[in-house]
Order: sequence, then structure tokens, then C-alpha cells
Amino acid sequence: SQQGEEDPQALSIQEGENATMNCSYKTSINNLQWYRQNSGRGLVHLILIRSNEREKHSGRLRVTLDTSKKSSSLLITASRAADTASYFCATAFDYKLSFGAGTTVTVRA
Amino acid sequence: GAVVSQHPSWVICKSGTSVKIECRSLDFQATTMFWYRQFPKQSLMLMATSNEGSKATYEQGVEKDKFLINHASLTLSTLTVTSAHPEDSSFYICSAPTEGNHGYTFGSGTRLTVV
Repeated sequence: SQQGEEDPQALSIQEGENATMNCSYKTSINNLQWYRQNSGRGLVHLILIRSNEREKHSGRLRVTLDTSKKSSSLLITASRAADTASYFCATAFDYKLSFGAGTTVTVRA
Repeated sequence: GAVVSQHPSWVICKSGTSVKIECRSLDFQATTMFWYRQFPKQSLMLMATSNEGSKATYEQGVEKDKFLINHASLTLSTLTVTSAHPEDSSFYICSAPTEGNHGYTFGSGTRLTVV
């Protein structure tokens, strides 16, 4: 089942710029995960943030989690053309993942 | 890292035929496998959860007799779309939980086209 919404639905930026996308969810979570999907391919796990964490970094990725607002954000810094993909947040509860609608990011060279 | 191998990557079949999709965990044991379908430009919708050695659990609205799931071993789960119809055309993806802080490992997906 789809958990919530992501915004924006689509994002177009210049190479080198930062990309920020937001995710809202509705129910309790154990953790929240972000995934990348290139067109017609499977999903690649990017980062996981637990419900008791507020911020996490991994390379050029920064994720925040606000459980009081039931929202998360993903920041990709210094974007590259290879970052062009769809990004999905997924909330995990009882080992099940529920995905957001996704944000399509296009990085222009 | 953990890898889930999914086959076939694409398949075209005639209406009324059945199609089997396989997902194998290559370097870890997947006691649980999740099956999703994804329509173009949409999110992933969980169809069912398979557990090794027991019956699959289907999400509301998913016909268990149409989407047969078998999880006979710790490294193999299969989804069979029976009597496929054009409306079953979709992208099917499997995933398995990965230990540690590594989220879930996804197969590369199967593009099913029913003609």
C-alpha cells in the first residue's frame, strides 16, 4: 500500500546544484528508507534512518526525519548527470515497506 | 553485498498463458521475499509477502489464485502470473530484507507484456 506523498513530483536542476525532495507519511514507522530507481530497473537502497534518528549523512546524501511531522527529506548535494533517476521514500514497519509516489529528478549537464 | 537475481528481465506472452518470475538470493538466505508491481510512472505496490516453507500473505485486492507465489527454499521465491491478461502487463519486482543498516535488496525487475 502507498504510504504517503513525495514532493515535488518532478525536479530539474543543473549539474552541480543541490536537489531536495520531501516525503510525508501517515502511520508509525520503525525506519524510513530512500531508494533510487533508474528507468526500467530495480531499486537501489540509498540510506536508512531509524525512527529515533533525526539526521543522517552518506557521501553526498543527507536525510532528515521529523517523526512529529511524519516527514523526511533527502538532499543530494553537488548533483551529477548520473543522479538522474526517480527517488522513492519507503517507510518500514513490521518488515513491510510502503512506498511514496516518488520524485523524478533530472540533472542537466 | 547482498544480491537478488531476478529473471526474466522482460517477457511477452499471449493472453491466457502463464508466466513464472524467479527471484534468487545469491549470497544470503532470504526467509522472506516481497513482491511488488509497478505501473508506468507510479510507485511500487506491495502484492504479497512470501515466507520460506509457508503460505504467502497477499495484500488486499490481490488475487492469490491469479498470482501464485512459491517460496520453497531459502534462496528462491517465484511468482507465477496465471492466465495472464493485458491488464496484468506491468513491472514486477521482488525484494528481500538485508541484515544491518542496508535496507532491502531488490531484484532488477521483470517487465511483463501480455498481448
